[in-house]
Amino acid sequence: EVQLLESGGGLVQPGGSLRLSCAASGFTFSSYAMSWVRQAPGKGLEWVSAISGSGGSTYYADSVKGRFTISRDNSKNTLYLQMNSLRAEDTAVYYCAKDGGAESSSGNGLDYWGQGTLVTVSS
Amino acid sequence: SYELTQPLSVSVALGQTARITCGGNNIGSKNVHWYQQKPGQAPVLVIYRDSNRPSGIPERFSGSNSGNTATLTISRAQAGDEADYYCQVWDSSTYVFGTGTKVTVL
Repeated sequence: EVQLLESGGGLVQPGGSLRLSCAASGFTFSSYAMSWVRQAPGKGLEWVSAISGSGGSTYYADSVKGRFTISRDNSKNTLYLQMNSLRAEDTAVYYCAKDGGAESSSGNGLDYWGQGTLVTVSS
Repeated sequence: SYELTQPLSVSVALGQTARITCGGNNIGSKNVHWYQQKPGQAPVLVIYRDSNRPSGIPERFSGSNSGNTATLTISRAQAGDEADYYCQVWDSSTYVFGTGTKVTVL
C-alpha cells in the first residue's frame, strides 16, 4: 500500500524558514517523480515544485522560485521541501504527491497524495 | 503562463449526468488529468491522460479532450460525488491546475 506522510509544518514568522519532509513507503521511491502541491485556506490547488525520480531534474512554480528548494533522499525514501523567505501568502496545507512516472512530463498525473501538513506564516 | 479555466460550480440531479469543462489554449494537444477533492481530504486522481481511469475509480467517471476544451463526465451522479474537481496539465516544465469546480448533487 502506497503511503505518503508529510511532516514539518507549523507556525513561522514572515521571512523565516521551514523544511517539510514526506516519508514514502509501499513503492519503489526512486522510480517515480514527486511533487509538492499546496492549498491556501478556502482556495484551490496550486502546484509548487516537482523532482524527477533520480533527483536530477527539478521544477518550480514562479511564485516560489528562488525561495524554495525541492530535494529527495532515495536511500531514505524521503522527499523534502526547504522553504526560505516565507511570506504570508505561503500559508497553506502542503501536500506531497507521487507522480505516475519517473518524470512529471510522463503524462500520468499525481496518483497518490499524502494528507498534508499545515504551514502558517504569521507574526 | 498557461491557464486553465473551469466553471465555478455545476449542479446535477441525483442519477443524472454532470459535465465539467476545462478550457485552455490548444488543450487537446496536452495530457489532462482530473482530481476529486472532498472537504478536509486530500485530492484523488479520477482521470489521467484525458480518459484513463485509475484502478478503483468507478466507470461512471469518464473524460475527453479536444481542441480548447477537456471534459470530465460523471454519469448516474451519486450523493458521494459531491466534491471539488480540478483539471491539470503539464506545460512548459510546470504543472498547472484549473480553477476548480464545485459539484453539487441535488
